[in-house]
Amino acid sequence: ETGVTQTPRHLVMGMTNKKSLKCEQHLGHNAMYWYKQSAKKPLELMFVYSLEERVENNSVPSRFSPECPNSSHLFLHLHTLQPEDSALYLCASSQDLRGEQYFGPGTRLTVT
Amino acid sequence: AQSVTQLDSHVSVSEGTPVLLRCNYSSSYSPSLFWYVQHPNKGLQLLLKYTSAATLVKGINGFEAEFKKSETSFHLTKPSAHMSDAAEYFCVVSDYGSSNTGKLIFGQGTTLQVKP
Repeated sequence: ETGVTQTPRHLVMGMTNKKSLKCEQHLGHNAMYWYKQSAKKPLELMFVYSLEERVENNSVPSRFSPECPNSSHLFLHLHTLQPEDSALYLCASSQDLRGEQYFGPGTRLTVT
Repeated sequence: AQSVTQLDSHVSVSEGTPVLLRCNYSSSYSPSLFWYVQHPNKGLQLLLKYTSAATLVKGINGFEAEFKKSETSFHLTKPSAHMSDAAEYFCVVSDYGSSNTGKLIFGQGTTLQVKP
């Protein structure tokens, strides 16, 4: 689990706040991912980055804005969220787009 | 399009008895298949993967899965359940063959309960 770290682990924010989630991978991987895990629903892929370029935006609302400054770091900037955005946000990384993905522990987000 | 179906949303076994978690897949390509486990309030941990080598795949913590193309199945097994195996298990297929984006398709998950 320490190969991919996420901060913060828990976040409570109001609908007018702006916050950011951070993910860091220590595995030397070239691809990174954001997933959303809501209760009673399958994991939803949000964004994919390969070699710091975004290769997938899975119809995610613009209130979620990803940033990948280098191959080890991935951010998810949040603004004007809705209560239905409350979920566990998981980051993952893989050697390349074909490889198995390794997940971080997640950030539990609550929007009030 | 790729998809996975986990046939049981909840499985309950006694400690020391075998575990069987069922998964069927649909894929237009030779699939890459995975099983992940998620313990409460934790991220997902890779248990094992199939990538067109041996059809019987051994993973961590004594888990195995067998790829059966004729049945389009990838069931997860363990000979003897341990209390620490209680968790949520996800069967996953890679969509790389069609999308080239590393997208994973997750099943709905199976909750494994282990009774003492």
